[in-house]
Amino acid sequence: EPEVTQTPSHQVTQMGQEVILRCVPISNHLYFYWYRQILGQKVEFLVSFYNNEISEKSEIFDDQFSVERPDGSNFTLKIRSTKLEDSAMYFCASSDSVGGPDTQYFGPGTRLTVL
Amino acid sequence: AQSVTQLDSQVPVFEEAPVELRCNYSSSVSVYLFWYVQYPNQGLQLLLKYLSGSTLVKGINGFEAEFNKSQTSFHLRKPSVHISDTAEYFCAVSPNNAGNMLTFGGGTRLMVKP
Repeated sequence: EPEVTQTPSHQVTQMGQEVILRCVPISNHLYFYWYRQILGQKVEFLVSFYNNEISEKSEIFDDQFSVERPDGSNFTLKIRSTKLEDSAMYFCASSDSVGGPDTQYFGPGTRLTVL
Repeated sequence: AQSVTQLDSQVPVFEEAPVELRCNYSSSVSVYLFWYVQYPNQGLQLLLKYLSGSTLVKGINGFEAEFNKSQTSFHLRKPSVHISDTAEYFCAVSPNNAGNMLTFGGGTRLMVKP
C-alpha cells in the first residue's frame, strides 16, 4: 500500500539555525499538508499546498516558515531561524482531492528538537 | 472556526472488554468528522469518517462511531478490544464548505491490559 514518507525521523538543531523537513507524498496525490504536534498538545494544522501554491495557512505559519515542492516527488517545510518553541513532531499528509471529505494520509513524522 | 474536545486523555481497559472514546466538537458550519489512530512510531491512520447519511459509521479493526448532531458528538466504540488496539486515538473535524484543514482533539490513549 502506498504511504507518505518523511525524513529525517529525528532532527536536532541549534536555535537560530535553518532546518528543512522532507516529505514524499503518495505519488498520485495533488494536495499536501503540514501539521505539527508540540509535546503534550494537540495536532495543529500549519499549511496546505496545491498546484504549487499555498491554499490555506494557520496563524502558526508565519514568515519563518515556507513550503516548496522542488521536484515531482518531494514536499518540504523550511524553518528559517528555529526557536525553542518550534520543537515538535511535524507531520506531512497528502490527499487526492480538496473541498471535499477525502482522506488525508499521514507520514510517520519528524521529531524536531531545538536546543 | 472549529474545536474538538476529547474528554479522556487516557482510557485503561481489559482485553475483550468494550470501550467508548468520547469526542465532542464545536463549529459554526457543518463539518465532516474523522477518527485517526496512531500506533507507536507511526503516522496517523484513518479509522473511519462521517460525511453524510447514516449516523452510524463502521471503520477498520471493528471500530464504529455514531454522529449525534444534537449533542455535537462523535464517540468511537468497539465491543471487544484486543491488546493490539493499544494506541493514541484522535478525533478530527474539517469544515464541509471550503478547504480540507483538519482540526484535531487532544487525543485519547487507549491502554488495553491483559
